[in-house]
Amino acid sequence: KNEVEQSPQNLTAQEGEFITINCSYSVGISALHWLQQHPGGGIVSLFMLSSGKKKHGRLIATINIQEKHSSLHITASHPRDSAVYICAVWGGSEKLVFGKGTKLTVNP
Amino acid sequence: EPEVTQTPSHQVTQMGQEVILRCVPISNHLYFYWYRQILGQKVEFLVSFYNNEISEKSEIFDDQFSVERPDGSNFTLKIRSTKLEDSAMYFCASSADLQETQYFGPGTRLLVL
Repeated sequence: KNEVEQSPQNLTAQEGEFITINCSYSVGISALHWLQQHPGGGIVSLFMLSSGKKKHGRLIATINIQEKHSSLHITASHPRDSAVYICAVWGGSEKLVFGKGTKLTVNP
Repeated sequence: EPEVTQTPSHQVTQMGQEVILRCVPISNHLYFYWYRQILGQKVEFLVSFYNNEISEKSEIFDDQFSVERPDGSNFTLKIRSTKLEDSAMYFCASSADLQETQYFGPGTRLLVL
């Protein structure tokens, strides 16, 4: 059974700061999802990656398969980035296993 | 841009009643999923559906739950005889292929009284 751990649980930053959210998992995976959950509850897929690094705007996601670790970075953070960021993994089945999420608050 | 839609956005029901949550996945997607999120907890997988049948389900998805694709567009989750602990946000998602990006609907908030 794959366990997905995220850190930190809560993160408060000032606008403009560089943000890093970490995700570790216990069992080898085929791919990993980073998701954003808005305060209203809606979930948006940010990245899906199985190796290396992906970049979209101010967001960067990296994964190290050997170390079973992924990071999500936000450059030049903005209050609108405030949300819960969730890591989810596929471990060889169709079932996505989710982390508990990291609640990010960016203050102006 | 295509999106997954869900209805209703909110549902309040009495314990023991049946509810049907509806989803319209993205039209060319082949894989469909239901997830739930109890307030303050993490998102949990319920079931995946492909080629008109369940392809995987979690231990949460017991005989109380069923899924159906009654026509070419809708994907439904039925909960028979709801319990208080079924109160949660239920998300539908779809993907074009297995282990590809999943697109989530806005969710249905179910409250069982």
